[in-house]
Amino acid sequence: DAKTTQPTSMDCAEGRAANLPCNHSTISGNEYVYWYRQIHSQGPQYIIHGLKNNETNEMASLIITEDRKSSTLILPHATLRDTAVYYCIVRVASVNYGGSQGNLIFGKGTKLSVKP
Amino acid sequence: NAGVTQTPKFRVLKTGQSMTLLCAQDMNHEYMYWYRQDPGMGLRLIHYSVGEGTTAKGEVPDGYNVSRLKKQNFLLGLESAAPSQTSVYFCASSPDPLPYEQYFGPGTRLTVT
Repeated sequence: DAKTTQPTSMDCAEGRAANLPCNHSTISGNEYVYWYRQIHSQGPQYIIHGLKNNETNEMASLIITEDRKSSTLILPHATLRDTAVYYCIVRVASVNYGGSQGNLIFGKGTKLSVKP
Repeated sequence: NAGVTQTPKFRVLKTGQSMTLLCAQDMNHEYMYWYRQDPGMGLRLIHYSVGEGTTAKGEVPDGYNVSRLKKQNFLLGLESAAPSQTSVYFCASSPDPLPYEQYFGPGTRLTVT
C-alpha cells in the first residue's frame, strides 16, 4: 500500500476554508485516497474518498492532482467542531479477505485546530 | 437511523473475568470490524466479518473471540480478561463492495485491573 505523508499540525480560523494536504507519491493506479477524522475520544469518522476525479460531499471536497501523487481535503467553512486529527489513507478498492486487508491503517495524521 | 452503536460505553473488569461487547448497525452493511486503540499505537484490527455467519482474525486476535449470528450484530468476547486488554474498543461496519468506507461506533472504554 502507498505510504502517505501529512503535516503534523495545522491551524485554521473559524469560518475560513481548511486545506489539508497529503502526499502519496507511490500510489498505484488501482488505489483510492480515503480521508477520515477522529475528534477527541470519539470513533473515527469517514469523510470522503476518490480515485482520480475531484469529489465533493456535504462534509468536504477532495482535490486529487492529475498525477495522483498528492491530494487536498478542503473543509469549506471550518467550525470549532472540525477540530480533530485528519487521516489520509490510500487503499485498493477491492479486498482480498484472505488476509487482514479490510483494516484501515491510520498513520499520525494532521491535528487541525480551528480557532475562533 | 442510529448508525453503529456499541454497548456498554464503559466497563471495569477484574483480571480473569469475562465479558461481551455488543456492536449493532442498522445500515444493512455486509462487513463489520472490531478494532482496539491504545495511546500512541493507532487502531489495530482484532477480528472482522464479511457477512452473517462469518468471522476472521485480524492483526491482534489473541484473547478475543467473535460471533456474527445476525447480519446487524457483531459480538466481541473476552473469555479471561488481562490488564493488557485495557483499551478503547471500536466497532465499524462498511457496505459491500466498499470495505474502506467504514462507519465507526462511539467506542467502549474497558479497564482491566
